[in-house]
Amino acid sequence: GAGVSQSPRYKVAKRGQDVALRCDPISGHVSLFWYQQALGQGPEFLTYFQNEAQLDKSGLPSDRFFAERPEGSVSTLKIQRTQQEDSAVYLCASSYRTDRSYEQYFGPGTRLTVT
Amino acid sequence: QKEVEQNSGPLSVPEGAIASLNCTYSDRVSQSFFWYRQYSGKSPELIMSIYSNGDKEDGRFTAQLNKASQYVSLLIRDSQPSDSATYLCAVNQADTGRRALTFGSGTRLQVQP
Repeated sequence: GAGVSQSPRYKVAKRGQDVALRCDPISGHVSLFWYQQALGQGPEFLTYFQNEAQLDKSGLPSDRFFAERPEGSVSTLKIQRTQQEDSAVYLCASSYRTDRSYEQYFGPGTRLTVT
Repeated sequence: QKEVEQNSGPLSVPEGAIASLNCTYSDRVSQSFFWYRQYSGKSPELIMSIYSNGDKEDGRFTAQLNKASQYVSLLIRDSQPSDSATYLCAVNQADTGRRALTFGSGTRLQVQP
């Protein structure tokens, strides 16, 4: 079946612009996660949804970052007034379970470059 | 101290050898452990999950977990050049209600033909 899809795959934004990154999880997956990955580092957690409820947003680095999943499927990560330090790969992952068997499957990511 | 520690490598092994990748974690309430493979420029791909002490084998891969020592490892038997990638160790504390994965920085593996 289809995996997690993300769009756009690449985004170049001028400093101060707003961007919106989209994630389409695997069909039927209840849990959806956003991570940020800097070069040479492991992914860092941003936020987590169970269906449409945002249950954990402890990893969002500032109030410029906002995520939503209004119908419990597609999710959007929005970054307002982008800064150079926001340049990274943004990864979306989904999981069909909500218990401890948290096998998360990643999408291809969106590489954001802020100039 | 980082929550999940991995040697950054590179770990270089000849083709056909066993590659041993190690990971330590600091939080004793960690319950679930995962190994992801990440090729350069690609996203992480789940290759193994392990939840209880001992060994878990899947093809050429064996994951080993020792919760008392807070240590998890991945063995790759008969290493192939196509195994050359960065291997990420990830843990979560699902029993506490937290669902996020905490990743190490990864170990770069190079398999020499």
